Amino acid sequence: DIQMTQSPSSLSASVGDRVTITCRASQSISNYLNWYQQKPGKAPKLLIYAASSLQSGVPSRFSGSGSGTDFTLTISSLQPEDSATYYCQQSYTTPWTFGQGTKVEIK
Amino acid sequence: EVQLVESGGGLVQPGGSLRLSCAASGFTFSNYAMSWVRQAPGKGLEWVSIISGSGGNTYYADSVKGRFTISRDNSKNTLYLQMKSLRAEDTAVYYCAKSTGSISCCNWFDPWGQGSLVTVSS
Repeated sequence: DIQMTQSPSSLSASVGDRVTITCRASQSISNYLNWYQQKPGKAPKLLIYAASSLQSGVPSRFSGSGSGTDFTLTISSLQPEDSATYYCQQSYTTPWTFGQGTKVEIK
Repeated sequence: EVQLVESGGGLVQPGGSLRLSCAASGFTFSNYAMSWVRQAPGKGLEWVSIISGSGGNTYYADSVKGRFTISRDNSKNTLYLQMKSLRAEDTAVYYCAKSTGSISCCNWFDPWGQGSLVTVSS
């Protein structure tokens, strides 16, 4: 199975800060990497698919980059409503696997 | 608007069975693969199973293979997950999700249902 490792596991940042979350795959997955946001008690929501494509309706402050084994999710200007846990997921091959999550808190 | 509504969760004893349903609306159900993803309390996300639009192809996580069966009824726009020989470690919120892309590669989950809690305990 492909292992997905996110860092950091958690972070605390101020409103307006630029925030970067990284995701590393245990083998090359081309650009088959998706990002999800999950708020407490809610279902995950797709933010980014195919490494860098912004899902419709998602604010443009969210962006994704990377290919191969190393990927990043960037929030260009953190907003209060961005407090959530973020997960990466590889869709290169089954079993689809997720990173362990990164919890983003607002200072 | 695309909507997915799960039902069928509840408390079940170890070794028992349960069937989850996911009613879909707002899109041509038979055109899309569908998945189940679960989340144990306080833990991360774990993909469980996927089924093609026609229902002819399925994949499972090793942790549920041989115990869970995914199926769909395209005439009723409904996805199912039959769970047997349940274990305590199967306790989780189970989400259904529409999968865009191929069943075997290159897809993503969007949207997700609200989730259905399955608790396996005596």
